Amino acid sequence: AQKITQTQPGMFVQEKEAVTLDCTYDTSDPSYGLFWYKQPSSGEMIFLIYQGSYDQQNATEGRYSLNFQKARKSANLVISASQLGDSAMYFCAMREDTGGFKTIFGAGTRLFVKA
Amino acid sequence: ETGVTQTPRHLVMGMTNKKSLKCEQHLGHNAMYWYKQSAKKPLELMFVYSLEERVENNSVPSRFSPECPNSSHLFLHLHTLQPEDSALYLCASSQEVSGGGRVETQYFGPGTRLLVL
Repeated sequence: AQKITQTQPGMFVQEKEAVTLDCTYDTSDPSYGLFWYKQPSSGEMIFLIYQGSYDQQNATEGRYSLNFQKARKSANLVISASQLGDSAMYFCAMREDTGGFKTIFGAGTRLFVKA
Repeated sequence: ETGVTQTPRHLVMGMTNKKSLKCEQHLGHNAMYWYKQSAKKPLELMFVYSLEERVENNSVPSRFSPECPNSSHLFLHLHTLQPEDSALYLCASSQEVSGGGRVETQYFGPGTRLLVL
């Protein structure tokens, strides 16, 4: 069963505007972590932000914030004030506490920032 | 060097060649990973080493052979590969804390783009 779903294969956003990238997940483990990674065309997978299942507040890291809705099992990434350098693939990922070392990745969303 | 480094960045090899991919982490982490990223497929975990012991091997063909001589270095030895093995191979590391109460973040290297002819 697919555990991470990213329904937007591609997204466009105007420079300086905010954009939300969707992610839903499925798990029966009460303890898990959710991650977002950015992958530019160079290939490197860059860690952006982490949200723990027991965290009371939504995670924020600079222009990145994670809209965590636990009951709906969604963990959307919000990028504020988009920049041209934000154009990349974005992957949502989950690691379950009982899942050992395995991190499961979604199919990704390609973001295009327009000047 | 900082973070996770991988060499070579690009590799072209024939099906009868033997080559090795190298990964080095400078983060003091105790776990290292190999992932395969093919076009239009999610990232696939291949191998995991924790404290230099292999702890996961996700049904990877034997033509891929990992080696972890110490906690900072990880190799992927390649032999008799097939064209469908062409992909981006990513190395990652994490600091696993027993009973830490949170799942740990994996930090990735830049990857090796492999083309098998």
